[in-house]
Amino acid sequence: EDKVVQSPLSLVVHEGDTVTLNCSYEVTNFRSLLWYKQEKKAPTFLFMLTSSGIEKKSGRLSSILDNKELFSILNITATQTGDSAVYLCAVVRPYKYIFGTGTRLKVLA
Amino acid sequence: KAGVTQTPRYLIKTRGQQVTLSCSPISGHRSVSWYQQTPGQGLQFLFEYFSETQRNKGNFPGRFSGRQFSNSRSEMNVSTLELGDSALYLCASSLEGQDNQPQHFGDGTRLSIL
Repeated sequence: EDKVVQSPLSLVVHEGDTVTLNCSYEVTNFRSLLWYKQEKKAPTFLFMLTSSGIEKKSGRLSSILDNKELFSILNITATQTGDSAVYLCAVVRPYKYIFGTGTRLKVLA
Repeated sequence: KAGVTQTPRYLIKTRGQQVTLSCSPISGHRSVSWYQQTPGQGLQFLFEYFSETQRNKGNFPGRFSGRQFSNSRSEMNVSTLELGDSALYLCASSLEGQDNQPQHFGDGTRLSIL
């Protein structure tokens, strides 16, 4: 059965800290892996990863995929209170996304 | 460009009733997927539509159904509502639902069953 597991489930840090969120997967017909940020409403797209070992960056956020060991990490440096959210990892197989349960990040001022 | 629009935003129903939720995708997007989000289970895939055809379906009972119209708008229907159907229902669209195109989500419909 396809499985996507995120860790930790929740995390509390202080502004300025660096955090690393993990996503491991066992999915047949893997196509790509995506990260989303969900605050109160719609998940918003962060990164799509298809190739192993290639880092994607956007400001203070970066992500990388290892499709041999079947995991991805999302790094956030110099965290801010606005980074507080649930971070979702999704693995894509044909015509279907499989989501992890998310990591709830709270950044304290 | 307008985002994914879901209506209504909130719904309160009682057990045994049925409900229809609507999703208008981003202009030009032809693939629409539906998800159920609950605190315990996270986002669970319901179904995906492209060009009015259901291409994939998740592990939900037959009470959950959907359809897509020729303008790519989609509806999902839940019949004989149960307390456990209380959830946030999210719709997402992408250009053609191919592997290299991210889905973009609407704000969801929050369904509460009394």
